[in-house]
Amino acid sequence: DAGVIQSPRHEVTEMGQEVTLRCKPISGHNSLFWYRQTMMRGLELLIYFNNNVPIDDSGMPEDRFSAKMPNASFSTLKIQPSEPRDSAVYFCASSPTDTGKAEAFFGQGTRLTVV
Amino acid sequence: GENVEQHPSTLSVQEGDSAVIKCTYSDSASNYFPWYKQELGKRPQLIIDIRSNVGEKKDQRIAVTLNKTAKHFSLHITETQPEDSAVYFCAAVSNYQLIWGAGTKLIIKP
Repeated sequence: DAGVIQSPRHEVTEMGQEVTLRCKPISGHNSLFWYRQTMMRGLELLIYFNNNVPIDDSGMPEDRFSAKMPNASFSTLKIQPSEPRDSAVYFCASSPTDTGKAEAFFGQGTRLTVV
Repeated sequence: GENVEQHPSTLSVQEGDSAVIKCTYSDSASNYFPWYKQELGKRPQLIIDIRSNVGEKKDQRIAVTLNKTAKHFSLHITETQPEDSAVYFCAAVSNYQLIWGAGTKLIIKP
């Protein structure tokens, strides 16, 4: 398996534009997580899906952020409209269990810069 | 809810010496404690984990200890090497969710 695949790797966009980040989890994994990482706030869980269903979205900063998982092999994180403070590295991770007690496999991340 | 504190935020050790990173957690129901290593510009990757029914686990130069009574766990790296330079994150799992420590930047001095 190629691991968790994220695209794009880098995204530079202007303030106010819509940004869509994509993730393909490892086949057979039933849990998917979106994280945001910044120097100031560290690793923050944005949303957790189990079997394609959003279980916990309490980490989503505000209504500008939305996430979907239409099927077991694809998820998106959308920011609309984007703001400079959204600049961060966004990681998608998947895990083979819904208990959390197993390795979370991270994608390579998307470095987002909003100017 | 669970809260994980990690210390120190930065640790500088001489190559060949040992490094110890400590974490405390608040939820006594937490029962799984992984450690992740994140090299500069790369993704976090699991290096070792421990479950609450075990007090210590070793894997070559790294080891993790868990004290459930005191609610703290530690990562030990012996005979440090330049490739150990990275940010290390501890985490605790309660229910399904990983609660992360703030990270420790480990610097290995030549």
